[in-house]
Amino acid sequence: DAEITQSPRHKITETGRQVTLACHQTWNHNNMFWYRQDLGHGLRLIHYSYGVQDTNKGEVSDGYSVSRSNTEDLPLTLESAASSQTSVYFCASSAGTSGSRHEQYFGPGTRLTVT
Amino acid sequence: AQSVAQPEDQVNVAEGNPLTVKCTYSVSGNPYLFWYVQYPNRGLQFLLKYITGDNLVKGSYGFEAEFNKSQTSFHLKKPSALVSDSALYFCAVKDGGATNKLIFGTGTLLAVQP
Repeated sequence: DAEITQSPRHKITETGRQVTLACHQTWNHNNMFWYRQDLGHGLRLIHYSYGVQDTNKGEVSDGYSVSRSNTEDLPLTLESAASSQTSVYFCASSAGTSGSRHEQYFGPGTRLTVT
Repeated sequence: AQSVAQPEDQVNVAEGNPLTVKCTYSVSGNPYLFWYVQYPNRGLQFLLKYITGDNLVKGSYGFEAEFNKSQTSFHLKKPSALVSDSALYFCAVKDGGATNKLIFGTGTLLAVQP
């Protein structure tokens, strides 16, 4: 069955270190998204991609970057981790632009703690 | 700009009673609306969506949602709640224009008491 996976599931890192969170989907979806989830804020979009070599900033993109070199993967990099980036990170994907294909499918999440 | 509001942080209901989780939206153009559920320590799971057609949409786990254009609402409902329905529920709307982004509400925690 198609799925979307994230690794690691839990990560503890120190302030100032570079961290990369992996996201891999086997749906063959064009669209991929990274969110962070924090109490009181719901889900906030960090970055997204509509296809290979395409990346776009979301509402909370400062301090984060992504790259899309193939359809399956959208790694999220924290260039210099800060305590404010302690959060749960979710990756999601969706098929495309037609009316029936906007629903997003989510990975299990990565809990990141920055100390 | 598109937006959704979930006015209740938490909804409490007894097992066996009907449940409603509220969602209102603001969009320009035709709304594409979604409900997701999140169980503890899990990712969000798609429940149902409204794109067009019948105002009553049926989804997974016995849930349904009623689209009401005049009230700009898309409330999630279930006739008989189960303890296992206890989870965090998110309403979402497709962002405007030629975009694949979804705008999520802040979530409503549903607690079903035995």
